[in-house]
Amino acid sequence: QVTLKESGPVLVKPTETLTLTCTVSGFSLSNARMGVSWIRQPPGKALEWLAHIFSNDEKSYSTSLKSRLTISKDTSKSQVVLTMTNMDPVDTATYYCARIPADGYNYAFFDYWGQGTLVTVSS
Amino acid sequence: SYELTQPPSVSVSPGQTARITCSGDALPKQYAYWYQQKPGQAPVLVIYKDSERPSGIPERFSGSSSGTTVTLTISGVQAEDEADYYCQSADSSGTEEVFGGGTKLTVL
Repeated sequence: QVTLKESGPVLVKPTETLTLTCTVSGFSLSNARMGVSWIRQPPGKALEWLAHIFSNDEKSYSTSLKSRLTISKDTSKSQVVLTMTNMDPVDTATYYCARIPADGYNYAFFDYWGQGTLVTVSS
Repeated sequence: SYELTQPPSVSVSPGQTARITCSGDALPKQYAYWYQQKPGQAPVLVIYKDSERPSGIPERFSGSSSGTTVTLTISGVQAEDEADYYCQSADSSGTEEVFGGGTKLTVL
């Protein structure tokens, strides 16, 4: 079955760089037209889309966070990595990775989600 | 930046019909998607491409679209449907994904 699992630090200091890894199983990151997104949710607040990457290495970023984000994938390891620079306490959130199915290539949506990982930004 | 607008809360009694709206200027040209999120859990896709229902989602969940507003309808609401519901779509250029602010559905 399809699963996604996020991993990374639970605590980062302000100004540090956050690196999160999404390890997927049950599908391949080389499957045509499929992709993986990162989405976050501050405590008690709404979901916010951050970035996605497709099997053909096409990438897209949130306009408001683009300067701080980098998304990449390692197909052989079934991993998608997100880095976010210059972390701030307002970046405290649960970070989710989610799969974009093949029929979501032109109109992205998310059919499977990881459990999420809470990242706290504090000195 | 592009925004999707949802009512903060909707309340219904068990067995009644709940309707949750989502408004956005680009909705006439972009599909909408709906997610259900229960406390402490990841979101679950309940409607895709305006009105399609993924396998495993009960038939009481349906979606519709009219102009700049899309609607999630839950017919015969059950206690287990109490959750936060988020709409999602893209901006007019299709390059940026956006979520609505979420609607808390309370089953009285």
